[in-house]
Amino acid sequence: GESVGLHLPTLSVQEGDNSIINCAYSNSASDYFIWYKQESGKGPQFIIDIRSNMDKRQGQRVTVLLNKTVKHLSLQIAATQPGDSAVYFCAAGGTGGFKTIFGAGTRLFVKA
Amino acid sequence: SQTIHQWPATLVQPVGSPLSLECTVEGTSNPNLYWYRQAAGRGLQLLFYSVGIGQISSEVPQNLSASRPQDRQFILSSKKLLLSDSGFYLCAWNRGIGMNTEAFFGQGTRLTVV
Repeated sequence: GESVGLHLPTLSVQEGDNSIINCAYSNSASDYFIWYKQESGKGPQFIIDIRSNMDKRQGQRVTVLLNKTVKHLSLQIAATQPGDSAVYFCAAGGTGGFKTIFGAGTRLFVKA
Repeated sequence: SQTIHQWPATLVQPVGSPLSLECTVEGTSNPNLYWYRQAAGRGLQLLFYSVGIGQISSEVPQNLSASRPQDRQFILSSKKLLLSDSGFYLCAWNRGIGMNTEAFFGQGTRLTVV
């Protein structure tokens, strides 16, 4: 079946360093990808999205890269801050359907 | 601005008891509404979605049901809870055709069935 996976369950970075969180998806028909941030005990919050007609999209301190050839996307966080500590989910969907596949999440720890 | 309310935040229920979780959205009309369940260390599993009043689609067979009695109200129910129903339940909404725009999530309900 379809799946979205994350390469690492946890990631620990030093404050001020850049973070890179990776994600792989299985459905080549997916055309919409989202990154969410989930803090403990809260619902996920939208960070950034990208459509399949793009390879890169930048937001405030975040960049999402999409490689459709290998079905891989990544989230880059520049100058990681303690407030970035959370679980990050990637999700793949679109194609006009309602079933977005979410990955299991990567927990990001930021060391001061 | 749009807001989404989900309650209660936590709930402890005995096996065999009924369940009713409520979700309401404010500041928008005719949203797509979703119920997700999140197991520990796992991603979000879509349980139900709704594109309009009275229109419910179920993604997985389960012990739960959903209803949408009003445009901005989405209810998750069970007649008899099972231990396996424990989890973190999230309501979400978005606009557009399908899940191809950002979704906004509620704060979640942590359900523990004992």
